[in-house]
Amino acid sequence: DAEITQSPRHKITETGRQVTLACHQTWNHNNMFWYRQDLGHGLRLIHYSYGVQDTNKGEVSDGYSVSRSNTEDLPLTLESAASSQTSVYFCASSESPHGILGNIQYFGAGTRLSVL
Amino acid sequence: AQKITQTQPGMFVQEKEAVTLDCTYDTSDPSYGLFWYKQPSSGEMIFLIYQGSYDQQNATEGRYSLNFQKARKSANLVISASQLGDSAMYFCAIFSGGYNKLIFGAGTRLAVHP
Repeated sequence: DAEITQSPRHKITETGRQVTLACHQTWNHNNMFWYRQDLGHGLRLIHYSYGVQDTNKGEVSDGYSVSRSNTEDLPLTLESAASSQTSVYFCASSESPHGILGNIQYFGAGTRLSVL
Repeated sequence: AQKITQTQPGMFVQEKEAVTLDCTYDTSDPSYGLFWYKQPSSGEMIFLIYQGSYDQQNATEGRYSLNFQKARKSANLVISASQLGDSAMYFCAIFSGGYNKLIFGAGTRLAVHP
């Protein structure tokens, strides 16, 4: 069965360190997204990609970067981790940017990141 | 800009009864979709149901139905015959072609009591 996998599931790091969260999907979806979830804010979009070599900033992109070198993977990098980046991170994918149905997003299980 | 508002931070319902979770939205795009996701305590986000702005009929998916009132800009989720396993956070989200991404509401926590 197709799926979307995030790793690690839990991560503890120190402020100032670089951290990379992995996201791998086997849906063969064009679109991939990274969100962070914090109490009272729902999910907020960090970065997204509509295909290989395409990346775009979301509403809370400062301090984060992504790269898309293949269809399956969209790693999220925190360049210099800050305590404000302690959160739960979700990766998602959808089939197509065209049409409502193609934009149903399927989510990974999430990564809980603590920055101390 | 697009916006989703979920005004009920928490709801509870008795097992086997129906419950309605509210969602109102704002968008200037005539073509959009509304989505509901469930997040149980285990943390994963599970897609439940969607409604397109041009769909004439309200969407249904098993025990889930979407009460779509376009003029009022509301897309409430109705869960019939609640089960204990329905206890979770529920998120409403909007997608429109003009913005090309999902915007989520803050969520409603539903507790189903036996």
